Amino acid sequence: DAGITQSPRHKVTETGTPVTLRCHQTENHRYMYWYRQDPGHGLRLIHYSYGVKDTDKGEVSDGYSVSRSKTEDFLLTLESATSSQTSVYFCAISESGGVAKNIQYFGAGTRLSVL
Amino acid sequence: GNSVTQMEGPVTLSEEAFLTINCTYTATGYPSLFWYVQYPGEGLQLLLKATKADDKGSNKGFEATYRKETTSFHLEKGSVQVSDSAVYFCALHTGGFKTIFGAGTRLFVKA
Repeated sequence: DAGITQSPRHKVTETGTPVTLRCHQTENHRYMYWYRQDPGHGLRLIHYSYGVKDTDKGEVSDGYSVSRSKTEDFLLTLESATSSQTSVYFCAISESGGVAKNIQYFGAGTRLSVL
Repeated sequence: GNSVTQMEGPVTLSEEAFLTINCTYTATGYPSLFWYVQYPGEGLQLLLKATKADDKGSNKGFEATYRKETTSFHLEKGSVQVSDSAVYFCALHTGGFKTIFGAGTRLFVKA
């Protein structure tokens, strides 16, 4: 199994509070991603990183920010949580280096409930 | 733009039945195609892949053939087991950093 740890695994928070989710990898892969998974929508990309301090927006980035200060850690912050951000969040990593190598490896997910 | 469309679920089968989950794609260039599987309470994991037209990916009894002429990558298994119950995602990658995932198809297999 790829060494990807997401923390926390479960979190319940109140509307308006900031929340930070952490993804930690031990694979030294360059690329890291945050997705959210909602019924009927599959996986939607929030933000991704292609190196330390290099990040970019995905398709559903509003209300989220990210930071990557070290290769192994990718943080997702909900600046002021809303009920629409209740979801399961997945971190993924990939080695890339060409089309054939872009397999993504996923963490176990964080279930977030915003009340 | 690039997109993936897969059949809506849930799909419910009896053990040892034949499985097909349809997947079609729209993409510029020559994408790589993937099937990922998500077991309950877990993240996605790669099931199989194909990187060029007419390639067949296979793993754990599952197969899918990259059909450029029909822009399809249907997942098949000859005899499903209860342990195959999961959500299956078709995905494509055209280069760069991002993979496009389909909405997922939930499979239930009854004993």
